[in-house]
Parts: sequence; C-alpha cells; structure tokens
Amino acid sequence: GAVVSQHPSWVICKSGTSVKIECRSLDFQATTMFWYRQFPKQSLMLMATSNEGSKATYEQGVEKDKFLINHASLTLSTLTVTSAHPEDSSFYICSARVSITDTQYFGPGTRLTVL
Amino acid sequence: DAKTTQPNSMESNEEEPVHLPCNHSTISGTDYIHWYRQLPSQGPEYVIHGLTSNVNNRMASLAIAEDRKSSTLILHRATLRDAAVYYCILSALFSGGYNKLIFGAGTRLAVHP
Repeated sequence: GAVVSQHPSWVICKSGTSVKIECRSLDFQATTMFWYRQFPKQSLMLMATSNEGSKATYEQGVEKDKFLINHASLTLSTLTVTSAHPEDSSFYICSARVSITDTQYFGPGTRLTVL
Repeated sequence: DAKTTQPNSMESNEEEPVHLPCNHSTISGTDYIHWYRQLPSQGPEYVIHGLTSNVNNRMASLAIAEDRKSSTLILHRATLRDAAVYYCILSALFSGGYNKLIFGAGTRLAVHP
C-alpha cells in the first residue's frame, strides 16, 4: 500500500514552454501533498504544500506564479512549471501524506531538462 | 525548524548490522523523528519514525535516547540494496494540522560485498 506515482518520469522541453507534472496517490486518498525539488548532489528542498480544494502554500523564495500547483482531487496534485528556463532543470519529487499516521510517501520523481 | 546532524558517509559490509546516528539536540517535545532513505534517481522511501519509545518494523529499528537529543537507525543485516542516502528528519505539527519534512544532507551508506 501507500503507492505514489508521478508522470512523466522525465521530460525535455524548450526554454519558454510550460511543463505539467502529475502526482497521484494510487491506493489512498491524500488531502495533503508536497512538492520538492532536488538538484544534483544536493538534498531535497520543499517547494510547496498542496491542499485539496484550497490554494497551495509556498515555501519562502519559491515563486507561486512560476510553479503553479493544483490539487483538484484527493488523489491528484499537479505542478506546472511555467515559462521554463534551463535553471529550472531539476529532479521534481512529490509526496502524499497518509493522515492516520502522518507519514509521507514519495513518488519516483520527474527529471526535467530545459534546453 | 529543529535541525539534525548526521555523518556525511558510513560504510558497512554485507550481512553486518549498521548503526546510523543522528543528533538533534534542539528537538522539542512534539517533534517526531523520521527516517527516510533515497536510492540514486529515485524518490525517498519511508523507513521508520518515532516520538519517544524505540520502534521496530520490517525494515529497521529506531533507538531513541532517553533525553531525545539523539537517535540511531539500526539495519540489522545490511544488504547491497541498503546502499542509499539516509535522512534523519524532525517534523513538527504545522499550523495546518500536518507535519512538514525538511531534509538535511543525510548519510550516504556504502555496503560492501
């Protein structure tokens, strides 16, 4: 149980385009999901908290207009990187929270490369 | 957010026990201690978590000091598949009613055959 998927697993796009990444909890409902970013040889950095039916909460320094988050259902959150640039190239990872144990389960990650 | 201190790297031999230490001297009374691990190019994997008492599950054991200022993740018999970066994380109840995980640098565990 507690499986989280992400789609796509990798994406290459041109500078200036927008990219949408999906995060799904497959066998449980998650009112809260989280989005992280990880640069090579660095640790995960929390970007934002995604709450079903309400606006996301962004960490300090993360541009909410650049990284659009939508949590339209209890099993799906999406992260859209708008007007992507090479510096946005990174490994994006989501997690979903199991309420009863307050444990987060992570997706496999999406590697974004912006040319 | 309370911080944790872990060694940058550790090594072990296959089928030997591994004790991964974590110091968290500024832990507060409501902070949970979480352990996750991450294999290369994968998302983190939940290992174990606890508050005050020692915890055991099928993956590992978590030993928490009586003063809660340190903890140790114990892998009873290391396998090559246990080679990963292990993160010790403190989480506190956020005003929204959930915990946030703030990752540090973690400990890179190498397991030798």
